Amino acid sequence: DARVTQTPRHKVTEMGQEVTMRCQPILGHNTVFWYRQTMMQGLELLAYFRNRAPLDDSGMPKDRFSAEMPDATLATLKIQPSEPRDSAVYFCASGYWYEQFFGPGTRLTVL
Amino acid sequence: AQRVTQPEKLLSVFKGAPVELKCNYSYSGSPELFWYVQYSRQRLQLLLRHISRESIKGFTADLNKGETSFHLKKPFAQEEDSAMYYCALRALFQGAQKLVFGQGTRLTINP
Repeated sequence: DARVTQTPRHKVTEMGQEVTMRCQPILGHNTVFWYRQTMMQGLELLAYFRNRAPLDDSGMPKDRFSAEMPDATLATLKIQPSEPRDSAVYFCASGYWYEQFFGPGTRLTVL
Repeated sequence: AQRVTQPEKLLSVFKGAPVELKCNYSYSGSPELFWYVQYSRQRLQLLLRHISRESIKGFTADLNKGETSFHLKKPFAQEEDSAMYYCALRALFQGAQKLVFGQGTRLTINP
């Protein structure tokens, strides 16, 4: 049963620190999505890749966030420097635009 | 602009009562809509999409283009329906398709 995996599952850090979240998409899926989930905004698309190329990162604050896919088995989302307002659950998903398979999420707390 | 609105952040009904989760959208093209669900301690997953015209776990959703709505309905709620529900709309961005999600509705079924 193939699943999207994300690490770490939980991260607590202090303001100003760098945070790196990792995602392993389902093998064979060529599209990867990063979302942020908060109570206020719900589920927001931050970035997505097809065949490792970024297609849309308009939802991402570019000054501090960056997303990459160094290879087909790894997608990363980095925040540098982190701020308390970045506290949220970050989801990775792979699949197709019409059916996305979500990972368990990384719960980030920035103090 | 593409937008999905779920007017209720929280919805609580009694077991056996009918359930309706509201979803309205804004889109200039031909809409395709979806419902995703996240049960407690589980991953976000696709529940149904309007083009399939199917009933999943007793839920149905009809696309009403006149009212730009895609409400999710179930005639008799069950306790296991308690979850977070997201409505999503297909959107086209720079030649690539993606999903735009609403803010979500947390449904609680009371015994």
